[in-house]
Amino acid sequence: AQKITQTQPGMFVQEKEAVTLDCTYDTSDPSYGLFWYKQPSSGEMIFLIYQGSYDQQNATEGRYSLNFQKARKSANLVISASQLGDSAMYFCAMRPAGGSYIPTFGRGTSLIVHP
Amino acid sequence: NAGVTQTPKFQVLKTGQSMTLQCAQDMNHEYMSWYRQDPGMGLRLIHYSVGAGITDQGEVPNGYNVSRSTTEDFPLRLLSAAPSQTSVYFCASRRLAGGRNTGELFFGEGSRLTVL
Repeated sequence: AQKITQTQPGMFVQEKEAVTLDCTYDTSDPSYGLFWYKQPSSGEMIFLIYQGSYDQQNATEGRYSLNFQKARKSANLVISASQLGDSAMYFCAMRPAGGSYIPTFGRGTSLIVHP
Repeated sequence: NAGVTQTPKFQVLKTGQSMTLQCAQDMNHEYMSWYRQDPGMGLRLIHYSVGAGITDQGEVPNGYNVSRSTTEDFPLRLLSAAPSQTSVYFCASRRLAGGRNTGELFFGEGSRLTVL
């Protein structure tokens, strides 16, 4: 069984500062993908970034980077130079590469960016 | 680009009523799924499908029914609505394999259901 843990229900950051949102996972699958999604107050779910378990380098997408530490089973999202529009819920998710293909989501972290 | 389209966006039901949430995608995705989102619970999988004619249960299937007669459509039926089914529902789809497919989910805009 897969499990995703996001231990920070809420986070605050000052505008233009960097922030790290934590995500740990548990799986017995040798190959898997890790995802982060953003849900602003308008409610839609937006895909941010993907990391494959066999990728040698940490994934980056603009101001988003994924700090992937395979041995620790962690996949933290780093947002650099926070903007007011980054205020949202952030969900970490994991999906095995084979088998049922079903992704598992964490409970989310609410990020508030202060001006 | 339509992507994943869910209807209705809002619905109020009385206990015992039935209804169908519609979901359609135009990306030829094999995988389609329904999630419910409740405060503090994240997204929980209700049902999913890996192709036309194939459906399976997720984490919280009780009280819901699905069918997949075409690749494009994956409706979710509430057979006899209960207040515990008050939630926000998301339909999501993705490609199963091929190319540089990362397999991220494409979500509909969500449907807010209230059962009185």
